[in-house]
Amino acid sequence: AAGVIQSPRHLIKEKRETATLKCYPIPRHDTVYWYQQGPGQDPQFLISFYEKMQSDKGSIPDRFSAQQFSDYHSELNMSSLELGDSALYFCASSLGSGDTQYFGPGTRLTVL
Amino acid sequence: QKEVEQNSGPLSVPEGAIASLNCTYSDRGSQSFFWYRQYSGKSPELIMFIYSNGDKEDGRFTAQLNKASQYVSLLIRDSQPSDSATYLCAVKGGYGNKLVFGAGTILRVKS
Repeated sequence: AAGVIQSPRHLIKEKRETATLKCYPIPRHDTVYWYQQGPGQDPQFLISFYEKMQSDKGSIPDRFSAQQFSDYHSELNMSSLELGDSALYFCASSLGSGDTQYFGPGTRLTVL
Repeated sequence: QKEVEQNSGPLSVPEGAIASLNCTYSDRGSQSFFWYRQYSGKSPELIMFIYSNGDKEDGRFTAQLNKASQYVSLLIRDSQPSDSATYLCAVKGGYGNKLVFGAGTILRVKS
């Protein structure tokens, strides 16, 4: 079965640079979630979208923004990167906002 | 205090034994409860979900929910070395659709 696709899988950036992470949900899934997982930590919710509208917001820094497009894929834009932004970024998708979330393989972001 | 609490472990069990993983949550409005398995550096993989009080079985896995005690557990029967991973308890609250995760319990199954 098709799964959530994330790109790139690995990304290395310098401090103060920008990064864009992409997420392609499971076909027919209309809801996308972004989570950040630091080393040795549990995933922390950042933001979610349902039918291209922001549906919930968590601990997402003001330097980050995200959107969901008409084909339901989502992009997480991160600016003025800091060392502390180094983490695994997971995208998850679900069919409807109340359904079970399935996670993508993640993007490992390293900020030098 | 975290909204979702788990014993970080590690929990060590011999191959073939039953592993019991526990989780408590603080939000009484929580509606849905999930167990994810995560191998180091990999993404969380859904193992079980449970919405109603009682037990739910799927193969070697049984999830148990007690909303009055705000307690969720996962039993793994006939534990295998391949079950060695971090098990994350996740809770979806009454408002919004985000998952709130516990810190995870490290399970080690020794052959």
